[in-house]
Amino acid sequence: KNEVEQSPQNLTAQEGEFITINCSYSVGISALHWLQQHPGGGIVSLFMLSSGKKKHGRLIATINIQEKHSSLHITASHPRDSAVYICAVRDRSGGGADGLTFGKGTHLIIQP
Amino acid sequence: NAGVTQTPKFRVLKTGQSMTLLCAQDMNHEYMYWYRQDPGMGLRLIHYSVGEGTTAKGEVPDGYNVSRLKKQNFLLGLESAAPSQTSVYFCASSYIRETEAFFGQGTRLTVV
Repeated sequence: KNEVEQSPQNLTAQEGEFITINCSYSVGISALHWLQQHPGGGIVSLFMLSSGKKKHGRLIATINIQEKHSSLHITASHPRDSAVYICAVRDRSGGGADGLTFGKGTHLIIQP
Repeated sequence: NAGVTQTPKFRVLKTGQSMTLLCAQDMNHEYMYWYRQDPGMGLRLIHYSVGEGTTAKGEVPDGYNVSRLKKQNFLLGLESAAPSQTSVYFCASSYIRETEAFFGQGTRLTVV
């Protein structure tokens, strides 16, 4: 079973700062997802990636398959970016239960 | 486009009562999942389905049953609710295994 670790668990920053959230996993994967969850709200998919880098607006996600590590970056952070960011992986192996394995999330607060 | 819709959004049950959570998706997705989210833990897979008429156990299936009689609906049942089943339940769907996952808004269940 894959083990997914996120860091930091909590992060408070000032508006405009560059934010980095890290995710590491223990076993080879076929894909990694970054998700966003606002307080009391649902979960929204931000990125799904299996190699390289993806960018959407002010969000950038990178993955290093060899090092089993991914980062989510937020440029020019804004208070509306305050949320829990969750990393989830899909194991490469086909055996066992399907579904994603999730990290515990990073609680981000951006202060004005 | 509704995406993934969960009903109900909130529910309080007494120990021993039964209930069914409904997940409906309008994206013609094959794969559907039920997860539970508990404080301090990542989301955990309860049951999943890879197509109409199929179901399979996830990481924490005990105390739950599921059915996928129609492709668009995935039902999660609690036959005899226990306080340990107090949680937030999320349904998710994806077109196939290796595609983006879409999540519902969650169902907050309290068992007293």
